[in-house]
Amino acid sequence: NAGVTQTPKFRILKIGQSMTLQCTQDMNHNYMYWYRQDPGMGLKLIYYSVGAGITDKGEVPNGYNVSRSTTEDFPLRLELAAPSQTSVYFCASSYSTNTEQFFGPGTRLTVL
Amino acid sequence: EDKVVQSPLSLVVHEGDTVTLNCSYEVTNFRSLLWYKQEKKAPTFLFILTSSGIEKKSGRLSSILDKKELFSILNITATQTGDSAIYLCAVDNNNDMRFGAGTRLTVKP
Repeated sequence: NAGVTQTPKFRILKIGQSMTLQCTQDMNHNYMYWYRQDPGMGLKLIYYSVGAGITDKGEVPNGYNVSRSTTEDFPLRLELAAPSQTSVYFCASSYSTNTEQFFGPGTRLTVL
Repeated sequence: EDKVVQSPLSLVVHEGDTVTLNCSYEVTNFRSLLWYKQEKKAPTFLFILTSSGIEKKSGRLSSILDKKELFSILNITATQTGDSAIYLCAVDNNNDMRFGAGTRLTVKP
């Protein structure tokens, strides 16, 4: 099993550009999450999904969109990149609630 | 407002010392509390706690939850340099996961 994979590993965007961060898991997990982690801070939840076709906002959803058309994939979309979105983005998955989350390796995004 | 607060923010100890990391929380729909260790990259899972007073233990690490006083502690005994990391506390607030800012632990030889 590859676990949770994320692409790309690094990306530099210009203000106003758009991009999609990809996340895939091969553990047949129902729950998937997107977090951002700013320097010296903990993780903040952007969006989460409890199953295919279902998504919900987390603590910091503004400026982002997600979709969950399959169990395996949970892409995160940035439509109009802003410097405030410079961060490390982690995708995670879990079998259900009250179980551990498995994290991907992260995507380091810089918006200039 | 839902929040998770960890203390101390940073801690420097010497090998062999015992450390206690704290996590307090105020959330609307508590389901569980989780501890993670983060070194260079992604967090790795340590413990999940759902019931008060039941200690979870793994080697030199242990953790306990107090749902009445709304806090948890993570203990590390006989620390080693390999324990140097950021320790993150997270609360499952009905799937709305809330993380603390973390405690940066440095263990010196």
